[in-house]
Parts: sequence; structure tokens; C-alpha cells
Amino acid sequence: AQKITQTQPGMFVQEKEAVTLDCTYDTSDQSYGLFWYKQPSSGEMIFLIYQGSYDEQNATEGRYSLNFQKARKSANLVISASQLGDSAMYFCAMSRPDSGGYQKVTFGTGTKLQVIP
Amino acid sequence: DAGVIQSPRHEVTEMGQEVTLRCKPISGHNSLFWYRQTMMRGLELLIYFNNNVPIDDSGMPEDRFSAKMPNASFSTLKIQPSEPRDSAVYFCASSPGQGPLYEQYFGPGTRLTVT
Repeated sequence: AQKITQTQPGMFVQEKEAVTLDCTYDTSDQSYGLFWYKQPSSGEMIFLIYQGSYDEQNATEGRYSLNFQKARKSANLVISASQLGDSAMYFCAMSRPDSGGYQKVTFGTGTKLQVIP
Repeated sequence: DAGVIQSPRHEVTEMGQEVTLRCKPISGHNSLFWYRQTMMRGLELLIYFNNNVPIDDSGMPEDRFSAKMPNASFSTLKIQPSEPRDSAVYFCASSPGQGPLYEQYFGPGTRLTVT
């Protein structure tokens, strides 16, 4: 079965420190996408970063970077210089093609990150 | 650019009533998704449209749920009759492409409470 696993239900990090949120995935597809979303307490889902399965370099977006290790099937999110506003739920997601080439998206269960002043 | 727009933001209704949730995707996006989020089940995909055509509705819980996309800029999710177990946050998301390598942009969600 295609699935996404986030093994850390909750994480704490000191303000200004870096933190890594773990995500492993399972798929037999060659072409797929990996995504991270942030959900603050206000409830909206915010797209953070994307990594394609064929991308050789790790994706970066500002303070966010995705540590993509294809052989290990992991796509960890690294947040550098944590800020209080980073406190939120973080979801890893995988998009793979269904039989028609359309998106089949699976979300992980999320990691709750709390940044400590 | 405006993001995905959902209405209403909050809905409280009594069991047995019809509920209609609305979504306007980002202009130019040709894929639209409806999700449901609960504490117990996390984020579940309900239905997926591409170019206004339903592609995958395997996540729709039962016949009480129906979704339409009459044009590229509007979609509805209807629950009739509603039940307390339908209480959840319902998200609409849109994506600029049909394949797996496109990110989705979520609306703010509709928090539905069925009493």
C-alpha cells in the first residue's frame, strides 16, 4: 500500500534552533511528488515545499529545506532558525499517479511542532 | 492573486438538514479536491475533479454526500441529510496540473457542526 509515515506526533524546539521533522513514504512508482504543509492553530493548510522524485537536488524555500533521500524513501523537513510563528502541525504528503495519470494524494498523520522562547 | 475561497467558514446545522459547502478555486487551476479533516481520521480525500470532471470519488463516505463542479470556477459539496458524525473541517484545494508533481493550494476550510 502507498503510505506516508510521520513517526513524531510532537516535537519541541528552542527558538532560533534548527529542527527536523521526519517523513518516510512507501511507493513503487517512479514518478511522484513529496510535499510539506503547515497547519497553524487557525486551521488553514499552507503549502511549504515540494520535491519531485526526479529532482536530484534537495528543495529549499527560505528557512525550509527538504532532505530527500530516495533510497531510504525519506523526505524530512528541516526548519532552520525556528521562530515562534513556526509552532503548528506539519503534514507530509505524497502525490503519485493513478491509472489515469492523475494525482493520488496521501497525507501523513502530522507532527505538532512547538517552538519554545 | 486570490487564493482558494470557501464559504461559509462556519456552519452549524441540525441533524437531517441539508448542508451545501462552496468553493472557488484559484483561477487557472484545473484540478480541484475536497477533503475532510477530523481528529480521529486525519485528512481524508473525498473527491477529485480535473477539468470539471469527477476523477476519483472513492473517498465519498456514502450517498448522502454529493459534489458538483458546474464550471472551472465553482464547486459544491452537499450533504443531505446531515448527521452528527459529519462534523468536521472541510477543505477545498486546487492544483495547477493533473499529474502527481503539482502542489495543492488549500482554502481556509469550512468548520461544520451538526447537532
